[in-house]
Amino acid sequence: GESVGLHLPTLSVQEGDNSIINCAYSNSASDYFIWYKQESGKGPQFIIDIRSNMDKRQGQRVTVLLNKTVKHLSLQIAATQPGDSAVYFCAENIGTGANNLFFGTGTRLTVIP
Amino acid sequence: DGGITQSPKYLFRKEGQNVTLSCEQNLNHDAMYWYRQDPGQGLRLIYYSQIVNDFQKGDIAEGYSVSREKKESFPLTVTSAQKNPTAFYLCASRRDAGQGGYEQYFGPGTRLTVT
Repeated sequence: GESVGLHLPTLSVQEGDNSIINCAYSNSASDYFIWYKQESGKGPQFIIDIRSNMDKRQGQRVTVLLNKTVKHLSLQIAATQPGDSAVYFCAENIGTGANNLFFGTGTRLTVIP
Repeated sequence: DGGITQSPKYLFRKEGQNVTLSCEQNLNHDAMYWYRQDPGQGLRLIYYSQIVNDFQKGDIAEGYSVSREKKESFPLTVTSAQKNPTAFYLCASRRDAGQGGYEQYFGPGTRLTVT
């Protein structure tokens, strides 16, 4: 999910349920994607990445799915916990060079105990 | 314990004063970045540096200045020319400036309030 202005898309889930956070990316030439988690007042933390030659990658409790046909990326979090509450945003890498990573605005995930 | 440090965590300044935000990394990364984050918005690139003694303007460089005299350090100065300096500032680094496909590592951020 992308947003404009002060209002981030929000997702509320019950503790223990699975969460799915979506991201639409802009450039069909993007070759590498990253999901970051940002807790309130802290810097973003790397969660998982995926290259464009893959459709799916799994980590610990997280899975990233890439659909290049519709330029869509999703992050699935299994058995969501209160500590997962944060803003999640995706980033897309386009080619080489130092300034080639572009960030989305994010989705706020709230886990209800 | 490798990582990126930013100091201070909170900074308060009066309008009209310049202020310098510190960013240090011991990851031996080539590239370093400064971003600004406003509430509910994404990261906006202020400046970046690929190597020592070289840096490039990002999307919102006006009112900011940087230096890169050492590989480990990339301080950002917010000058009095910056019209709306109150924001959360994030520093990041990446291990290879020349290639794509590597994540950026972020520091903990500095929240600057100018009154």
